[in-house]
Amino acid sequence: EAQVTQNPRYLITVTGKKLTVTCSQNMNHEYMSWYRQDPGLGLRQIYYSMNVEVTDKGDVPEGYKVSRKEKRNFPLILESPSPNQTSLYFCASSLAGQGGWPQHFGDGTRLSIL
Amino acid sequence: EDQVTQSPEALRLQEGESSSLNCSYTVSGLRGLFWYRQDPGKGPEFLFTLYSAGEEKEKERLKATLTKKESFLHITAPKPEDSATYLCAVQGSSNTGKLIFGQGTTLQVKP
Repeated sequence: EAQVTQNPRYLITVTGKKLTVTCSQNMNHEYMSWYRQDPGLGLRQIYYSMNVEVTDKGDVPEGYKVSRKEKRNFPLILESPSPNQTSLYFCASSLAGQGGWPQHFGDGTRLSIL
Repeated sequence: EDQVTQSPEALRLQEGESSSLNCSYTVSGLRGLFWYRQDPGKGPEFLFTLYSAGEEKEKERLKATLTKKESFLHITAPKPEDSATYLCAVQGSSNTGKLIFGQGTTLQVKP
């Protein structure tokens, strides 16, 4: 089954404790992206990757890091999480970053930073 | 700056009562306008891609249309299972890696 898989689905942690949210896709997609969704603010893009070893900032990259060492994986790293990063996070992938290909989303990771 | 505005924020319909959701956009060089459906606790589910003004796409009770400034998602004779949040997003040619989302319209269909 074609899918985007995120782990963990839920996480409660404390300020300053480094964490990684993993994202994996099995569709051989070139493009991957991370979003956060907050009430009243909608979905906002954090980082995206057009291909392996190519990443770029979205609209809200502060406090986050990403890496794209393999085509299928695109982890999101919070090196020193803070309470304002409490949010619902989504990973997405598409065939390519250009040409209007639709993005396919994972089921989300709910992070609570205390 | 690329921008997407959806209206209304919320819409309540009776089963069978047709209506339309609006997505107004400004983008430099539209590469694609996307409609998604999002159920509570789930990721957005892709519905349609529209590429140029005049284009229309249909799926069951949903029909999406596109002009140079806005897109409509028409819902014909909705059923309670159509209740969800509908999201509109655009991709522009100035930065094809970015997808700009609207805030969504939450639709509730009562039996």
